[in-house]
Amino acid sequence: GNSVTQMEGPVTLSEEAFLTINCTYTATGYPSLFWYVQYPGEGLQLLLKATKADDKGSNKGFEATYRKETTSFHLEKGSVQVSDSAVYFCALQSGAGSYQLTFGKGTKLSVIP
Amino acid sequence: DVKVTQSSRYLVKRTGEKVFLECVQDMDHENMFWYRQDPGLGLRLIYFSYDVKMKEKGDIPEGYSVSREKKERFSLILESASTNQTSMYLCASSLGQGDNSPLHFGNGTRLTVT
Repeated sequence: GNSVTQMEGPVTLSEEAFLTINCTYTATGYPSLFWYVQYPGEGLQLLLKATKADDKGSNKGFEATYRKETTSFHLEKGSVQVSDSAVYFCALQSGAGSYQLTFGKGTKLSVIP
Repeated sequence: DVKVTQSSRYLVKRTGEKVFLECVQDMDHENMFWYRQDPGLGLRLIYFSYDVKMKEKGDIPEGYSVSREKKERFSLILESASTNQTSMYLCASSLGQGDNSPLHFGNGTRLTVT
């Protein structure tokens, strides 16, 4: 079956530090990959996505590249801000006609001034 | 902008009560989903629906049922609430079939069963 593994949190960084949150997946076929973000007290919202190998998704300074050879989709940001403090979820959607997303367990990021 | 609205932010219910969680989306989306979110477990899919009156079990359907009588509304029902159903419940919707159709989430309902 499909599964997503992301690095355990919580992660605490100082403002302007470099961020990497690792995500690897197991899936049949050619999944689409997503990062969602959940700010305190809110639901999840889509941060970025990639639909095929070597695609790079980007948004709000965050980037992730779909690496089929390593089955990975690591999230990176060059300089984090306090406002990036949130929980980040990696997810996959597997195959044509699939309605469902499989989520990782989430990584909580805290950015301190 | 897509809006997914969950009727309650917080609910407190007693063991054995029948509980209804309501979700409405305003963008004519085909698919709707109910997840529960628990610390250390992430999001787990309870049920989803890809059309009116259609429903499919997710990964953890036991103890839950759903209703989709209208396209915009998807209800989660706990027939007899138990303390292990204390959780954050998230509703989501998406446009259509399959690939590249991201989910849009509501803000969640935090349910406590005592």
